[in-house]
Amino acid sequence: EAAVTQSPRNKVAVTGGKVTLSCNQTNNHNNMYWYRQDTGHGLRLIHYSYGAGSTEKGDIPDGYKASRPSQENFSLILELATPSQTSVYFCASGEKISNERLFFGHGTKLSVL
Amino acid sequence: AQSVTQPDARVTVSEGASLQLRCKYSSSGTPYLFWYVQYPRQGLQLLLKYYSGDPVVQGVNGFEAEFSKSNSSFHLRKASVHWSDSAVYFCVLSGLSGSFNKLTFGAGTRLAVCP
Repeated sequence: EAAVTQSPRNKVAVTGGKVTLSCNQTNNHNNMYWYRQDTGHGLRLIHYSYGAGSTEKGDIPDGYKASRPSQENFSLILELATPSQTSVYFCASGEKISNERLFFGHGTKLSVL
Repeated sequence: AQSVTQPDARVTVSEGASLQLRCKYSSSGTPYLFWYVQYPRQGLQLLLKYYSGDPVVQGVNGFEAEFSKSNSSFHLRKASVHWSDSAVYFCVLSGLSGSFNKLTFGAGTRLAVCP
């Protein structure tokens, strides 16, 4: 089973502060994703990546940046955190471009005060 | 644009009872559909998937789903639920957006199984 590890599991940040969420996958998947989960919305795509060095905007990228320095690592960066970014964030990885199954991390619960 | 609707935000059933969680989708192309489950404090895990062929697909832990093109539905079923099935269930639609495989998630249905 593919392993996707997120850190930290919980984070409390102050408004205007910088937050970095990290994700590591060990199964050599090309594609990685960052989602946020809010009640009533399911999961919404923030950024994704096709491989090392690539980042693409998803459906709700505003206020977020992403970095993919290697095949294994994909970070989500909030340069100036706001209370509206309080949410649960999930990282996922997948093998194929089309019709792929995703493997998810356990999530990071972020609270911005 | 593709979309997924799960009309029931919360479903409560008794242990041993049968279950159906509803999912309606909208897609301009060939739909590829998934059901994922999220147990408390965990990430999402794949239950089952439909790509083509037999409209009834089997998944893990006794779950199955039936695809209906005419009804644009992909309902999840289980004959007899166990308390450990309490979780949030997501219906997911996969479709190409340019060269990117776009996944659209429903809002989820929270299942509570009562003893």
